[in-house]
Amino acid sequence: GQQVMQIPQYQHVQEGEDFTTYCNSSTTLSNIQWYKQRPGGHPVFLIQLVKSGEVKKQKRLTFQFGEAKKNSSLHITATQTTDVGTYFCAGPPSGAGSYQLTFGKGTKLSVIP
Amino acid sequence: ETGVTQSPTHLIKTRGQQVTLRCSSQSGHNTVSWYQQALGQGPQFIFQYYREEENGRGNFPPRFSGLQFPNYSSELNVNALELDDSALYLCASSLGSGAKNIQYFGAGTRLSVL
Repeated sequence: GQQVMQIPQYQHVQEGEDFTTYCNSSTTLSNIQWYKQRPGGHPVFLIQLVKSGEVKKQKRLTFQFGEAKKNSSLHITATQTTDVGTYFCAGPPSGAGSYQLTFGKGTKLSVIP
Repeated sequence: ETGVTQSPTHLIKTRGQQVTLRCSSQSGHNTVSWYQQALGQGPQFIFQYYREEENGRGNFPPRFSGLQFPNYSSELNVNALELDDSALYLCASSLGSGAKNIQYFGAGTRLSVL
């Protein structure tokens, strides 16, 4: 079945440093979605990328979808303590009727003030 | 927040018991998906309900079952609980069952099986 892998599993950064997490799928994705889960919380939708090579920005966050629609990245510039949490990528495989979201294991970000 | 509500928030059961978890979807959403999130893992898809019918299922045994009601709220039932069923159970609602529909998660039910 489809597998989604994320690296790194953990990342500790000093406040103000940049952070990047990478996501790779074993199959081509229809789209890629990114979620953030704060400690003790639930996944909160951040963004969806649909087109091959798409790049979207949300303030200090930059999301990228690979040309082959099998990989994605999330980059945070100048991290803040409010960025703490686990970042998940998730995507359904491409193809008719494919809607099941497969999540990666996430990257847990710690920000040292 | 998202308007997706789940109950109860926490639950403790013993092995072999049965449990029912409930989810109210966001207003206007007709699709509910259930996920199991073990500690330190990503959410794992259990099944999805669209207009009261099961619309797909992940790799979970038949003792995991569900329902969706005419108002699109949903239940997850787990029979013959096992220790490994201890997890956070998340419900997500969406407007439609297609791949591009954004799923909005509730706060989850944390189930502990002793």
